[in-house]
Amino acid sequence: GAVVSQHPSRVICKSGTSVKIECRSLDFQATTMFWYRQFPKQSLMLMATSNEGSKATYEQGVEKDKFLINHASLTLSTLTVTSAHPEDSSFYICSARDHGEEGGELFFGEGSRLTVL
Amino acid sequence: AQSVTQLDSQVPVFEEAPVELRCNYSSSVSVYLFWYVQYPNQGLQLLLKYLSGSTLVKGINGFEAEFNKSQTSFHLRKPSVHISDTAEYFCAVSRVGYSTLTFGKGTMLLVSP
Repeated sequence: GAVVSQHPSRVICKSGTSVKIECRSLDFQATTMFWYRQFPKQSLMLMATSNEGSKATYEQGVEKDKFLINHASLTLSTLTVTSAHPEDSSFYICSARDHGEEGGELFFGEGSRLTVL
Repeated sequence: AQSVTQLDSQVPVFEEAPVELRCNYSSSVSVYLFWYVQYPNQGLQLLLKYLSGSTLVKGINGFEAEFNKSQTSFHLRKPSVHISDTAEYFCAVSRVGYSTLTFGKGTMLLVSP
């Protein structure tokens, strides 16, 4: 099946620094990728929809300048957490839709755990 | 808008016993329904999905779910669980033709010997 890979799987950074998380679709082209955030023992919250070659669409309440999303190619989307603070610590998961796949099925990455000290 | 309710935050069960994880949804339009499993510190893996057709859907790892439109439910079942089934299970819904998923809060399945 389709595979989506995220990197890094874990990252620890100091407060005030920026962190970039990559999401790659390995065996299909993804014109649309999605970024989710998951707090401990909670569900996934959609942060933004990333569209190849255009600006991302952010969900209400998500700071565009804090969470920069770039979808430069059909197989890569990046999420940059700028000037990270401890409250940004979370599990970030990306997903991508195989454009030829009926049913809106999303393939998920392994997730990236961010810890901001 | 769609919403998903998973009433049980945690379901403890003994190995080899049957299990049912409940999921109810709300939507004013036709939907697709999904169940995902998440193991610790990992992403989500699709267990099964309902798009159309037969209301009984069979998925991986011996799981199945039944779509009940009148009760707006999509409960997940397994006749005999294993220790390795211990994980978080998420029910999700999307509008027909759309990719964006709305997730329930998840149900932690705890299988003990």
